[in-house]
Amino acid sequence: GQNIDQPTEMTATEGAIVQINCTYQTSGFNGLFWYQQHAGEAPTFLSYNVLDGLEEKGRFSSFLSRSKGYSYLLLKELQMKDSASYLCAVKRDKAAGNKLTFGGGTRVLVKP
Amino acid sequence: DTEVTQTPKHLVMGMTNKKSLKCEQHMGHRAMYWYKQKAKKPPELMFVYSYEKLSINESVPSRFSPECPNSSLLNLHLHALQPEDSALYLCASSQGPSGGYYNEQFFGPGTRLTVL
Repeated sequence: GQNIDQPTEMTATEGAIVQINCTYQTSGFNGLFWYQQHAGEAPTFLSYNVLDGLEEKGRFSSFLSRSKGYSYLLLKELQMKDSASYLCAVKRDKAAGNKLTFGGGTRVLVKP
Repeated sequence: DTEVTQTPKHLVMGMTNKKSLKCEQHMGHRAMYWYKQKAKKPPELMFVYSYEKLSINESVPSRFSPECPNSSLLNLHLHALQPEDSALYLCASSQGPSGGYYNEQFFGPGTRLTVL
């Protein structure tokens, strides 16, 4: 089986930085995605990591350590519109069906 | 066109009704997915179509019946649903089942289904 864990909820202040951690245990690991989902809307792609290291995209960065089964999403210069759920999703390889399995999501609330 | 569209946006149906959800993409993607999402929960995979063939069925009850008429369209036929089937149904597509470096899934806006 597999297990994907992330905190349920985080609160931060506008302009601050928040780090959302995701730990996973899975076989056939083939990459990790971060998606943003506003309430009542579809998930939208934020980042993808398959190799160890940090990927930076504007205010959002994502880090992966395959040996530790660990990733984080870093949101800098928080804005009110960043209030959303952030979903960590693990992609498995062809032998495991190429499936994408989501963690429970982390609800981030940005306060003024 | 980088959009996945879904119709209808909202659907209310009785337990004896038959209805269909529709999904369309024109990005040339060859993999399409149905997910079910309950409130405050992550999306759960239901079905995967790869090159118009059903490749994954996550033990979904037969009252849900997927169909892929062509590479751009994906339907989900609903019959004799239960109130606990009420959820947001998301369609997604990706370049291929494993092709492409990212192979990110693009999600449609979803159909909010209520079963009375």
